[in-house]
Amino acid sequence: EVQLVESGGGLVQPGGSLRLSCAASGFTFSSYAMNWVRQAPGKGLEWVSLISTTSSSIYYADSVKGRFTISRDNAKNSLYLQMNSLSAEDTAVYYCARENIVATMTGYHYFTDVWGKGTTVTVSS
Amino acid sequence: DIQLTQSPSFLSASVGDRVTITCRASRGISNSLAWYQQKPGKAPQLLIFAASTLQSGVPSRFSGSGSGTEFTLTISGLQPDDFATYYCQQPYTYPRSFGQGTKLEI
Repeated sequence: EVQLVESGGGLVQPGGSLRLSCAASGFTFSSYAMNWVRQAPGKGLEWVSLISTTSSSIYYADSVKGRFTISRDNAKNSLYLQMNSLSAEDTAVYYCARENIVATMTGYHYFTDVWGKGTTVTVSS
Repeated sequence: DIQLTQSPSFLSASVGDRVTITCRASRGISNSLAWYQQKPGKAPQLLIFAASTLQSGVPSRFSGSGSGTEFTLTISGLQPDDFATYYCQQPYTYPRSFGQGTKLEI
């Protein structure tokens, strides 16, 4: 069964740090780019970051650039998100999500087809 | 950055209805658009990618269309399980962006 399981969430004070992990199973982790997506309480989805299969390409949302660092360990089938200088605006459920790609007549198409259940990060004093 | 605007934000409908949700991009994104369904307390689920390609296992009552800047998600013959929040997302460029969501209510 294809599965993503996030961990590492919790309560942290403003200005603090937290490291999220995502354990992948049931597929060849090293063959897929991976995303982090978050959702603040009662709000919509916000894309956070993406890392390519070999970690050679990394992208961030402007809201986290310079504070968050995405990384992966293909040998351990794991994805990480190091979060520093946290503020209340970072309070959210953080989802790990697999990036898939298919080739069609109109070109290559990317989409996020497998999601974990999420881990909750609360930034509060 | 590309902004996605969904309309309406809230939609009231009944079982059996046909509903349409629109997603407009701030600039052209070809047919690079995906639709997701999310139920309370659950992770999003992929419905459609490449604007109109149905993800495996998704019921055929869901359909998508559009290209460029305007896209639609249509649900024909609403089922009780379809009452949820729907999001569009563009994988055309970085940063990726989602629409603000459309909550479909009874």
